[in-house]
Amino acid sequence: AQSVAQPEDQVNVAEGNPLTVKCTYSVSGNPYLFWYVQYPNRGLQFLLKYITGDNLVKGSYGFEAEFNKSQTSFHLKKPSALVSDSALYFCAVRDTGFQKLVFGTGTRLLVSP
Amino acid sequence: GAVVSQHPSRVICKSGTSVKIECRSLDFQATTMFWYRQFPKQSLMLMATSNEGSKATYEQGVEKDKFLINHASLTLSTLTVTSAHPEDSSFYICSAPGQGSEAFFGQGTRLTVV
Repeated sequence: AQSVAQPEDQVNVAEGNPLTVKCTYSVSGNPYLFWYVQYPNRGLQFLLKYITGDNLVKGSYGFEAEFNKSQTSFHLKKPSALVSDSALYFCAVRDTGFQKLVFGTGTRLLVSP
Repeated sequence: GAVVSQHPSRVICKSGTSVKIECRSLDFQATTMFWYRQFPKQSLMLMATSNEGSKATYEQGVEKDKFLINHASLTLSTLTVTSAHPEDSSFYICSAPGQGSEAFFGQGTRLTVV
C-alpha cells in the first residue's frame, strides 16, 4: 500500500532564510510524487511533481524538491522564504498503476517577518 | 492550466436536510473525479471515486447512502450529503486527474450543519 509521512506538523523559518519541508514515501512500484499548497479555506494548488528524470525538480513560486530514491524522500525546499509562503503543505504519492493520490498529514509552514 | 470549479464554497444547513456540492471540470473532460474530506488541521481523506456513467467507488467506512455521488457527464460530478448532522460538518474537496499526471482540485466547500 502507498503511504506518505510528513514528520513535522509545523516548520518555522524567518523570512529570507532557506526552508525545508520533509516528506518520505512508500510505494510498491515507481512513485509519482507531488507537492501541493493549501491556503485557508481553499482547495489545493499544485506546486511541483517528480515522475522521472532529474532528481531535482523545480516548481512554482521558487520551490524545488529533491527526489532521493535510496532514502525514499522528496523534501520540499526554497532558498529564501517569504512571509506569503506561510500555508499548509501536503506531500502526495501515486503509484504508477493508479490514479488515486495518497496524502501526507500536512506541514504548516510559518514564515516570520 | 486545467481548472476544476467547485460550488458552493460555503454552505450552512439545518440538521436533517440534504446538501448538494457540485464539481465541474471547466476546460477538460474528467471521466474520474475524487471526493475528499478534510477535518480541521488534518490531511485529506479520500471518500470516494466518482466514475462517469457508472457507480462510484467508496472507501472503507464511508456510507454510500449518506454521501450520494453522481457523475452524470464528463464535466460534472456531484456529492450530496443526505440527512446531514453536525458531525458531517467539514471541508469537502473534489479533484480530477488532468492530462498530465497531477490532479487538479476544486476550491473546496465548507459545510456547517447546525
